[in-house]
Amino acid sequence: EVQLVESGGGLVKPGGSLRLSCAASGFTFSSYSMNWVRQAPGKGLEWVSSISSSSSYIYYADSVKGRFTISRDNAKNSLYLQMNSLRAEDTAVYYCARGTTAMANYYYYYYMDVWGKGTTVTVSS
Amino acid sequence: SSELTQDPAVSVALGQTVRITCQGDSLRSYYASWYQQKPGQAPVLVIYGKNNRPSGIPDRFSGSSSGNTASLTITGAQAEDEADYYCNSRDSSGNLVVFGGGTKLTVL
Repeated sequence: EVQLVESGGGLVKPGGSLRLSCAASGFTFSSYSMNWVRQAPGKGLEWVSSISSSSSYIYYADSVKGRFTISRDNAKNSLYLQMNSLRAEDTAVYYCARGTTAMANYYYYYYMDVWGKGTTVTVSS
Repeated sequence: SSELTQDPAVSVALGQTVRITCQGDSLRSYYASWYQQKPGQAPVLVIYGKNNRPSGIPDRFSGSSSGNTASLTITGAQAEDEADYYCNSRDSSGNLVVFGGGTKLTVL
């Protein structure tokens, strides 16, 4: 069964750090780009960061650039998100999601077809 | 702010057809993908590419695109289709990923 399982969430004080992990199983992890997507309470989905299959390409949303670091270990089938200088507005459920880019009819398309159940991060004093 | 724009809420009578739209400049180069999210659950991919459904997604869900607008159509909406729907694509640079603000679908 194709599966992603996040862990590492919890309660942290403003300015603190947390490291999220995402364990992948049931597919060839090293062949896919991966993403972190978050959802603040009562809000919509917000893309946080993505990393290519070989870690060659890494991108961040402006809201987390310079504070968060995405990484992966293909030997361990694992994705990580190191979160530093946390703020109250980082409070959210954090999902990892598998990403795929493809092309058809001269259009590109990008989709996330496998998602974990999420891990909750609460930043509060 | 999101580079993809969705109507915040849409309603549809049971069994009728509803269209949810998503607008953005990047949609001139990228097909949108669509996700369904029910309360307390992770998002589920329902449409990707020109009009592709993952395994297990009912064929009442379909996608289309014209210019800078992508649409998700549910033909014969069911009570279980009541959920939040999000569109997604790359941004205009092709590097970043963007989501629309989401549309809350109510089935009456």
